[in-house]
Amino acid sequence: DTGVSQNPRHKITKRGQNVTFRCDPISEHNRLYWYRQTLGQGPEFLTYFQNEAQLEKSRLLSDRFSAERPKGSFSTLEIQRTEQGDSAMYLCASSLASGVKDTQYFGPGTRLTVL
Amino acid sequence: AQKVTQAQTEISVVEKEDVTLDCVYETRDTTYYLFWYKQPPSGELVFLIRRNSFDEQNEISGRYSWNFQKSTSSFNFTITASQVVDSAVYFCALSEAGETQGGSEKLVFGKGTKLTVNP
Repeated sequence: DTGVSQNPRHKITKRGQNVTFRCDPISEHNRLYWYRQTLGQGPEFLTYFQNEAQLEKSRLLSDRFSAERPKGSFSTLEIQRTEQGDSAMYLCASSLASGVKDTQYFGPGTRLTVL
Repeated sequence: AQKVTQAQTEISVVEKEDVTLDCVYETRDTTYYLFWYKQPPSGELVFLIRRNSFDEQNEISGRYSWNFQKSTSSFNFTITASQVVDSAVYFCALSEAGETQGGSEKLVFGKGTKLTVNP
C-alpha cells in the first residue's frame, strides 16, 4: 500500500496570492483530514471529510480557506489572499471508518511560506 | 475542552540510555482515545500506538513501552536503549469517541517533545 501523498511538498508565495494543495489518501480510506502545524506546535485540526461530505470544520478555518473532496478520493485545500500568518505546514491524514475510533495516517505535509 | 500537555520541550540523551516522554491529558469524556505519533525531520507523522480509556494495560512493543494511568491522566512513553534513529519530535494526542458514537474524529495534539539521541 502506498501511503498518504501530498503535493506540492513546498510552496513559496507572495502575500495576497491564492494557493492550492492536493492530498491523495490511502486508497481504501474513506475519511480524510486536514491539519495545520506551525513551528514548535502540534498539529491543529482544520477539517475532515467522509467520502465527499465535509463533516466537521474548525473555527480556525477562516473564510479564506476552503477544502473540497469532490469524488470522495483526493482532496484540495485552497487558501485565498494568503497572509504571512498562513505560513505553516499543512498536513493531510486519512483513515478507514470503523465502528469505534479510526487511526489516522499522515502524509509528509506541504510547507507553505508566505512572503 | 480537551487538552494535552507535554511538559518536556526537549530531551537529549546518549545512545543506549532509557528515556521517558511524559504526556498529561484533560478531558471530561468518559470514553476517549490516546495516541502517540513520531515526527522525524522529514516531517511525516508516524503512528505509534492507540489506546482507549477502558484499557489501562501497559503495552510493550520492542524497545517501546507505554504506561497509561487514568488516576493521574497520564500516558507516558518510554524508549529503552535509545538509538540515534529515535531522534524525532514525539506527539501525544487525544480524541473523544468517534463520530459513530456521537463524538468527533479530530485529534488534539500536545506541543511535542523533541528527543535527540547522541551517539
